[in-house]
Amino acid sequence: AQSVAQPEDQVNVAEGNPLTVKCTYSVSGNPYLFWYVQYPNRGLQFLLKYITGDNLVKGSYGFEAEFNKSQTSFHLKKPSALVSDSALYFCAVRDWSSASKIIFGSGTRLSIRP
Amino acid sequence: EAGVAQSPRYKIIEKRQSVAFWCNPISGHATLYWYQQILGQGPKLLIQFQNNGVVDDSQLPKDRFSAERLKGVDSTLKIQPAKLEDSAVYLCASSLQRDAYEQYFGPGTRLTVT
Repeated sequence: AQSVAQPEDQVNVAEGNPLTVKCTYSVSGNPYLFWYVQYPNRGLQFLLKYITGDNLVKGSYGFEAEFNKSQTSFHLKKPSALVSDSALYFCAVRDWSSASKIIFGSGTRLSIRP
Repeated sequence: EAGVAQSPRYKIIEKRQSVAFWCNPISGHATLYWYQQILGQGPKLLIQFQNNGVVDDSQLPKDRFSAERLKGVDSTLKIQPAKLEDSAVYLCASSLQRDAYEQYFGPGTRLTVT
């Protein structure tokens, strides 16, 4: 069975500092991995995906994620945090038992202090 | 380009009552998803449509939940009768095609069952 784990419920970072939101995965097939962001009172937005290729994937709003097969991780990163990055972040993985179904993690709340 | 529309945004009902949610996906998107997001958890797929056919409804509680997508465009999700544990945000999403992993989400309907 496919699953993702987000070990931190909340991450607090000062504005201008680098940020990392952690995600580990478990899959029985090729790992197709995704990050989504949920701003208050708004729907989830797609940030980026890893399907194949370079281990460093670039996405929207200056975010990037690093795929690490040996550590089964797909951490979300940004070199310099903005207050506007404060939101709920979800890691997700394709469920190979069902066409195009993705399974979401429990989410990590990112709080950027000025 | 208009996004995914959902209504109502909020709904409060008593247990054993019925409720219906409506979703209008992005024009041209063949695939439509309904998710349930319980507070503190990631979204969980309830049902996925490809045009007006069901692709996956394995996690839909069929004794009380039903969904339809007539004419392959708008969709409705119904709960009858509602239970306290159905309190959640119900998210609708759409994607251009079945294996497009970038899903576009609506703002959701927050359901409170008392």
